[in-house]
Amino acid sequence: NAGVTQTPKFQVLKTGQSMTLQCAQDMNHEYMSWYRQDPGMGLRLIHYSVGAGITDQGEVPNGYNVSRSTTEDFPLRLLSAAPSQTSVYFCASRLSGSLATSYEQYFGPGTRLTVT
Amino acid sequence: AQSVAQPEDQVNVAEGNPLTVKCTYSVSGNPYLFWYVQYPNRGLQFLLKYITGDNLVKGSYGFEAEFNKSQTSFHLKKPSALVSDSALYFCAVRDISGGYQKVTFGTGTKLQVIP
Repeated sequence: NAGVTQTPKFQVLKTGQSMTLQCAQDMNHEYMSWYRQDPGMGLRLIHYSVGAGITDQGEVPNGYNVSRSTTEDFPLRLLSAAPSQTSVYFCASRLSGSLATSYEQYFGPGTRLTVT
Repeated sequence: AQSVAQPEDQVNVAEGNPLTVKCTYSVSGNPYLFWYVQYPNRGLQFLLKYITGDNLVKGSYGFEAEFNKSQTSFHLKKPSALVSDSALYFCAVRDISGGYQKVTFGTGTKLQVIP
């Protein structure tokens, strides 16, 4: 049971380039999400998905796209990278539903992205 | 919207001493509150949660948290700090505002345990 995996671990992009951050989980969790972590700002939600084929925006969605074709995978696409997107990106998953237990999230190890 | 505040960017404590990491919350309705820990270059790990019931919640690695409704606080505690407890700690709250369910995180508190 690998939990939540993310690739790559590190990435350097030039302004204007595009790329996809990969995220996969093997716990059959319905809910998956992407966060960015910036110093002094905690974690901010970018996009989330409550199941295959269903995605929605979080707090800071601009410049990012997501899709969810399977329960396991939830890739994050940067359309045209900007220096403001330099950050550490975390993918997380959890059970869906309204029970408190379902709000316990499992996080991947993160992707450190630098945009020059 | 629901929110949490962590008033201290950093907390320093000597090994063996008790530690407290502070968190206050603002929610409408019953709060679901969480603590997560992040070790260097790692993702966040769940420590404990408060849903309802006993105001003292016990979690992983000997941590506990005290829920205080009148002070709207959910402070993380440990009776005797270890050097290995040095990490970044996040308080979080379930947020059902804005038409979607999510967990809102605080800005984090860096805990430094000094040998």
